[in-house]
Amino acid sequence: AQRVTQPEKLLSVFKGAPVELKCNYSYSGSPELFWYVQYSRQRLQLLLRHISRESIKGFTADLNKGETSFHLKKPFAQEEDSAMYYCALYNTNAGKSTFGDGTTLTVKP
Amino acid sequence: ETGVTQSPTHLIKTRGQQVTLRCSSQSGHNTVSWYQQALGQGPQFIFQYYREEENGRGNFPPRFSGLQFPNYSSELNVNALELDDSALYLCASSVDGPYEQYFGPGTRLTVT
Repeated sequence: AQRVTQPEKLLSVFKGAPVELKCNYSYSGSPELFWYVQYSRQRLQLLLRHISRESIKGFTADLNKGETSFHLKKPFAQEEDSAMYYCALYNTNAGKSTFGDGTTLTVKP
Repeated sequence: ETGVTQSPTHLIKTRGQQVTLRCSSQSGHNTVSWYQQALGQGPQFIFQYYREEENGRGNFPPRFSGLQFPNYSSELNVNALELDDSALYLCASSVDGPYEQYFGPGTRLTVT
């Protein structure tokens, strides 16, 4: 069974500090992995997708198949990064998506 | 270009009743996915429709069913409502699979 685990429910950092939001997954095939973000009073929106290898709003995420991880990183956190972040996996064979339970990031001034 | 819309915004039903939730996908999107989100949890995948066919389903009982129409809008139907069905129901639309999903604002369902 596929599973996504985000071990930290809450994460707090100071502005300008590096931030890493952890995501571990279990899936036997080649996963499609995503990070979604939900800012206060806004809809859930895609932040980035592993296959695109883009940096969005300064965030990057590297797929580590050996450790089955897809951690989200940003070298210098900004206050506007405060939000709920969800890691998600899509099983292309079964057509099934799985989301983690999210990490609430707070960036303090 | 309008975004994903859902109706109604809020809904209160009694245990045992049936409910239909609606989702209007973003223009040009042919894939719709439905999620249930309980308080404090991430979205739980219910099912996905692609070009009017269900092509993926999560661990939800058959009383959760859906439809996708030729204009790619979608409905989620839940029969025999239970108290645990109380949640936020999200739909998301995308093109040719859930690779860049655009989410709606959700429908808050309360079952009493």
